[in-house]
Amino acid sequence: EDKVVQSPLSLVVHEGDTVTLNCSYEVTNFRSLLWYKQEKKAPTFLFMLTSSGIEKKSGRLSSILDKKELFSILNITATQTGDSAVYLCAVPSGTYKYIFGTGTRLKVLA
Amino acid sequence: EAQVTQNPRYLITVTGKKLTVTCSQNMNHEYMSWYRQDPGLGLRQIYYSMNVEVTDKGDVPEGYKVSRKEKRNFPLILESPSPNQTSLYFCASSPGVYYEQYFGPGTRLTVT
Repeated sequence: EDKVVQSPLSLVVHEGDTVTLNCSYEVTNFRSLLWYKQEKKAPTFLFMLTSSGIEKKSGRLSSILDKKELFSILNITATQTGDSAVYLCAVPSGTYKYIFGTGTRLKVLA
Repeated sequence: EAQVTQNPRYLITVTGKKLTVTCSQNMNHEYMSWYRQDPGLGLRQIYYSMNVEVTDKGDVPEGYKVSRKEKRNFPLILESPSPNQTSLYFCASSPGVYYEQYFGPGTRLTVT
């Protein structure tokens, strides 16, 4: 059965800290893994990682994909209170379903 | 402006009263999907559509119906809603299944 597992479930840090969020997956015919950020509304897209693009960076956020070990990491450096959100990992499966992990809830304290 | 719209945004209804939540996208996307989001369970896919007249079940399809008669629209139908369908619902679209999804603003449904 296809599945996506995120860890930790929640995390509380102070501004300026660096955090690492994890996403492991088991899906048929893997093609891409996507990260989203969800504040008090709909998820918004952060990164897409594929076999040809295993590392992405945007400002303080970066992500890597390990296709051999079947996981991805989302790093946030110098965290700010505005980074407080639920971070979701999603992997489309070979059966055309779109599978989300349960998310990591990040809270950044001032 | 490229967007996914959903209506209504909030709905309180009673058990058994049929309802439809509309979803429309203006990006000419082929893939559309419905999700429900419940605390501790994340986003779970209800139904998806690869293109017009092509729909299939996601992980939690029981109690829901969909149709895709036009490329831009993908309504979600609850023919006999029950309290366990109280949830936050999102519609989303993308150029294809392996790409980023664009989400609608969400519909908060309460069934009493």
